[in-house]
Amino acid sequence: KNEVEQSPQNLTAQEGEFITINCSYSVGISALHWLQQHPGGGIVSLFMLSSGKKKHGRLIATINIQEKHSSLHITASHPRDSAVYICAVRSYRGSTLGRLYFGRGTQLTVWP
Amino acid sequence: DADVTQTPRNRITKTGKRIMLECSQTKGHDRMYWYRQDPGLGLRLIYYSFDVKDINKGEISDGYSVSRQAQAKFSLSLESAIPNQTALYFCATSDYWGTDTQYFGPGTRLTVL
Repeated sequence: KNEVEQSPQNLTAQEGEFITINCSYSVGISALHWLQQHPGGGIVSLFMLSSGKKKHGRLIATINIQEKHSSLHITASHPRDSAVYICAVRSYRGSTLGRLYFGRGTQLTVWP
Repeated sequence: DADVTQTPRNRITKTGKRIMLECSQTKGHDRMYWYRQDPGLGLRLIYYSFDVKDINKGEISDGYSVSRQAQAKFSLSLESAIPNQTALYFCATSDYWGTDTQYFGPGTRLTVL
């Protein structure tokens, strides 16, 4: 069983739609990251969360520590948002940073 | 210029050959990582280094070795390449003090025939 599960695996949307990608995890964490992988393969970090909610432009990320769940929302989606979105969690190991566990990613395609 | 660079970007090789993938960074980070990505699977950690004298195995280190030549350089070697090592390889860096956000290189697409 993967420590990080994402849903859905694939998501298709029409331009302008509101998008939600979900991430559930089974380990105790110190932080959760959302990453974006472009069609060319490059990976960039979108958010790092340890509690609450963060917003950057049309992207919103939330985390519920008690439920071990995070969501990434995209408002007013655009074809340039088409990418693979990856959830990753940093496990907590006392006073030191533990390892990073990655989800398998959600492939988002936004049509004009 | 990119903060994290990888060379080569693409490589095709034959079974049994020794291959080295190189990673350089200008971010001044102590922590560096090598991951591989296979279709339908998440990123998997091969090796990581928290400083020049500290190198650790990740979850899939068999068949790989690494060298941390300097704070800015971290190389991954495949001693005797095999076809199931065909994958996309990423180098990444992070800073311990702060968010520990990972900064990824552009990736190396390796094909072993």
